[in-house]
Amino acid sequence: SAVISQKPSRDICQRGTSLTIQCQVDSQVTMMFWYRQQPGQSLTLIATANQGSEATYESGFVIDKFPISRPNLTFSTLTVSNMSPEDSSIYLCSVEDDADSYNEQFFGPGTRLTVL
Amino acid sequence: AQSVTQPDIHITVSEGASLELRCNYSYGATPYLFWYVQSPGQGLQLLLKYFSGDTLVQGIKGFEAEFKRSQSSFNLRKPSVHWSDAAEYFCAVVLTNDYKLSFGAGTTVTVRA
Repeated sequence: SAVISQKPSRDICQRGTSLTIQCQVDSQVTMMFWYRQQPGQSLTLIATANQGSEATYESGFVIDKFPISRPNLTFSTLTVSNMSPEDSSIYLCSVEDDADSYNEQFFGPGTRLTVL
Repeated sequence: AQSVTQPDIHITVSEGASLELRCNYSYGATPYLFWYVQSPGQGLQLLLKYFSGDTLVQGIKGFEAEFKRSQSSFNLRKPSVHWSDAAEYFCAVVLTNDYKLSFGAGTTVTVRA
């Protein structure tokens, strides 16, 4: 199974600033995903990070607010731009390492973001 | 509309008692089914999954789940709960032609001594 790390593990940010979250995997994976978990809520998929192409965003999420990079098969970043208190959430990355058929997703430990 | 429903927001169970968490899905075809656990301050850990075959699935930490096609359900069970089982439990699905996980709202399990 893939081992995933995220940086930072938590942060407290001011309104109007941006934060970039890093996701590092210990093996090459095809599919990487970013999720948001608002306080007391379930997980919602933000986007699928594709290596070599633009990320694919879910309804309600836009690239200007959540730009994503995927420079190689082991790394991705999610930026939360122009933050407001409503962006306070846990942000998790996950990976699926079988490009041919679905197996399971492995999750990182998450980044807990508080926006003041 | 396609959805994953966990009817129970919060369940309290005594240590040593049995536990059952409910999950229902509403999709045109049977999706792949998963149960994840999230302990306080932790990421998500996969407990078990169902793709096809035997409808009773064994997972880690003594958990099992049963897929019932007629009821569109995938309920999670544990015969004897330990205090360390206190956590948030999420049912999730993936459509067989997709890679995107859709999560239920989650069930919080509290274990009392």
